[in-house]
Amino acid sequence: SAVISQKPSRDICQRGTSLTIQCQVDSQVTMMFWYRQQPGQSLTLIATANQGSEATYESGFVIDKFPISRPNLTFSTLTVSNMSPEDSSIYLCSVTTGEAFFGQGTRLTVV
Amino acid sequence: QKEVEQDPGPLSVPEGAIVSLNCTYSNSAFQYFMWYRQYSRKGPELLMYTYSSGNKEDGRFTAQVDKSSKYISLFIRDSQPSDSATYLCAIPLSGNTGKLIFGQGTTLQVKP
Repeated sequence: SAVISQKPSRDICQRGTSLTIQCQVDSQVTMMFWYRQQPGQSLTLIATANQGSEATYESGFVIDKFPISRPNLTFSTLTVSNMSPEDSSIYLCSVTTGEAFFGQGTRLTVV
Repeated sequence: QKEVEQDPGPLSVPEGAIVSLNCTYSNSAFQYFMWYRQYSRKGPELLMYTYSSGNKEDGRFTAQVDKSSKYISLFIRDSQPSDSATYLCAIPLSGNTGKLIFGQGTTLQVKP
């Protein structure tokens, strides 16, 4: 199993600003994943973060908007840049050790 | 057409009822199928997974896959108020269990 801690748990941000979300795992993992869960919608994969290489983004998501860092095998950050109200979502970090484990999510509201 | 579709509900049942949650998928190559449960303000947690067709039972929960119809189901027997949550079906991409396609999720409320 894996225990994942995300910070912050929630935030309210002004449009045009950026927010960096942190994800800490209690064990070393090769890949970490970032998902978005928009209001009333399902989870959508944003990108896969590998330690020591550039993140791989899914269709519809770009590095300029969602830059990701992966400095070591237990930590990753996702930045939501130049935010607009459409970015209001829950952002979740995930790792897999055979099954996928999720953090509790960061609830972001952009005003 | 979405790769995974799920009726979002909401679904409200009395305590003790049998609950049926369903998803359809479009890609016949999918082999693994998962059900996640998400309580309010929490991340999803894996409830059950199945491989290929057939049934899998775990306590009050039964997962069923019909690959001929591209249809997956989760049954909850003797439902309890603590089962009130959002249930999401999920399918891994290319066998990578970290990269998942999720259904919309069905919100279930079990009333005492």
